[in-house]
Amino acid sequence: QLQLQESGPGLVRPSETLSLTCTVSGDSITSRSFYWDWVRQPPEKGLEWIGSVYYSGITHYNPSLKSRVTMSIDPSKNQFSLKLSSVTAADTAVYYCARQREYNYNYWGQGTLVTVSS
Amino acid sequence: QSALTQPPSASGSPGQSVTISCTGTSSDIAAYNYVSWYQQHPGEAPKLMIYEVTKRPSGVPNRFSGSKSGNTASLTVSGLQAEDEADYYCCSYAGSNNRVFGGGTRLTVL
Repeated sequence: QLQLQESGPGLVRPSETLSLTCTVSGDSITSRSFYWDWVRQPPEKGLEWIGSVYYSGITHYNPSLKSRVTMSIDPSKNQFSLKLSSVTAADTAVYYCARQREYNYNYWGQGTLVTVSS
Repeated sequence: QSALTQPPSASGSPGQSVTISCTGTSSDIAAYNYVSWYQQHPGEAPKLMIYEVTKRPSGVPNRFSGSKSGNTASLTVSGLQAEDEADYYCCSYAGSNNRVFGGGTRLTVL
């Protein structure tokens, strides 16, 4: 059974860089059939796509976040990562990692709350 | 890109049918058959209910169905049950490797 698990600091200071890792178990992250995505959800708000990374390292980002987002993949650890720079309070959200195929998400992590505050 | 437009709330009594709309543009919903719907209970991760406009993943009850007309997609829940009470989000491919979500609809089972 495929499982995804987010990990990283739950508190980030304003203007610093948010860093999260998603560990995949039950399947290889090098599968050519899937992309690996990050989606976030501010408190009491809707979902927002952040970006995708392919096993080869190809990335696609939400245009509204592109200047601040970096995603990478580490096949040796079966992990992929998210970095979001220059964070503000507006970046406070539950961050989910998910497996994407044909622009839909059939597996999600449980989500991790990241709060931006001094 | 702008978020897809969903009504903030919908409701129905047990056994009834409810339809939730998701309105986009000619650049997303109207242009591609990559609309998906997600159910989210409080404190949980979203769950895929419909993909590619009308397809249901294994394990999703056939009470859930999807459709699309022009730039509007719809999710219909037939034979409402108490456990269907949740937030529902639509998502569409928007070209150039982008995708956009709707703002979400809270479904209440009366």
